[in-house]
Amino acid sequence: GIQVEQSPPDLILQEGANSTLRCNFSDSVNNLQWFHQNPWGQLINLFYIPSGTKQNGRLSATTVATERYSLLYISSSQTTDSGVYFCAVGGNAGGTSYGKLTFGQGTILTVHP
Amino acid sequence: SQTIHQWPATLVQPVGSPLSLECTVEGTSNPNLYWYRQAAGRGLQLLFYSVGIGQISSEVPQNLSASRPQDRQFILSSKKLLLSDSGFYLCAWSVFQFDEQYFGPGTRLTVT
Repeated sequence: GIQVEQSPPDLILQEGANSTLRCNFSDSVNNLQWFHQNPWGQLINLFYIPSGTKQNGRLSATTVATERYSLLYISSSQTTDSGVYFCAVGGNAGGTSYGKLTFGQGTILTVHP
Repeated sequence: SQTIHQWPATLVQPVGSPLSLECTVEGTSNPNLYWYRQAAGRGLQLLFYSVGIGQISSEVPQNLSASRPQDRQFILSSKKLLLSDSGFYLCAWSVFQFDEQYFGPGTRLTVT
């Protein structure tokens, strides 16, 4: 199946700093999503981005499908941005199950005031 | 708009007891439904998926089973819980196979 690797595993920032989270995947994908998991465990959809670039406020994401990576940019970070950020991909390669999302291990982001 | 509900929110059960977790989706018809489990606060693993009533596919062999008795209802069950069944269980839905998936609030299960 598809392998997903996220980096860095942990990131500590001061409020106002910018950051870039990376997601590498091992095969072609039909679905790529970025999530933010809040302290209560809720997975919040940030981007659905199997290819291209999208922006939503202080967050933006870029997926370069041909090179098998995606980047999540967080600008002017706030303490409320703290939590775990997951990249998840889905595709047909290697007999991957119907619609299955394969998750990376996540990046734990801590933003200090 | 579509919403997804899960209950209970938390559950503590003894080893060997049965389990039933429920997930319902509102505001859409014939969704694809998924059960994921998250252990130790990191990546999620797909357990089951369903493309229609009565149609269940298992992703990994385990002590759990799933059923879909109604179009927008997905149930996760076990006859006898194991300690290793502890974890955070999330239900998700999508319109089509590789569409965006949306997750419910989850059920935190502790088996003692």
